[in-house]
Amino acid sequence: EPEVTQTPSHQVTQMGQEVILRCVPISNHLYFYWYRQILGQKVEFLVSFYNNEISEKSEIFDDQFSVERPDGSNFTLKIRSTKLEDSAMYFCASSPPGLASLAQYFGPGTRLLVL
Amino acid sequence: KNEVEQSPQNLTAQEGEFITINCSYSVGISALHWLQQHPGGGIVSLFMLSSGKKKHGRLIATINIQEKHSSLHITASHPRDSAVYICAADSNYQLIWGAGTKLIIKP
Repeated sequence: EPEVTQTPSHQVTQMGQEVILRCVPISNHLYFYWYRQILGQKVEFLVSFYNNEISEKSEIFDDQFSVERPDGSNFTLKIRSTKLEDSAMYFCASSPPGLASLAQYFGPGTRLLVL
Repeated sequence: KNEVEQSPQNLTAQEGEFITINCSYSVGISALHWLQQHPGGGIVSLFMLSSGKKKHGRLIATINIQEKHSSLHITASHPRDSAVYICAADSNYQLIWGAGTKLIIKP
């Protein structure tokens, strides 16, 4: 069964460094999402992406964040200059086209630790 | 103000018990999701519903659109059902997440 994959599973970085989190959505899916979950807190929506552009973004998704679908298979989240409070689990999700587009399939997450 | 509220926050039950987790939301939705998060952090989608009731194995999800309320039921609960169960409201192309219900099923 096809699944969403994410790499790396864990990343440790120094404050101020740039990180790129990678996701490979399910191949025929057209809608892509990033979420984050700070330890002990609820999952929060970051951004949705469709047709090579951002559809929606939350207040969390400020200028430090960007998303890209560079090659038709990967969907990346870049954090330009990481802050301590960016430490969280980051989940990617994707949705198929058509009426099923509301169903989101989640990747296993990338645990980011900013020191 | 929480747009999606779940209850209870924590639930411990004995194996075999019937489990109910409730979710209330205040936003307009196109769908309501129930998801399961395992101790390792992975998220699995259980149900997506916009009306009525859905059943999958021992899991049942219901939604009342007028009352803006949904419930997740687990019949004949088993220790492997222990996880965090989260409801999320699909509103304006983004999921608004509840805080989750931590369920522990004791053998």
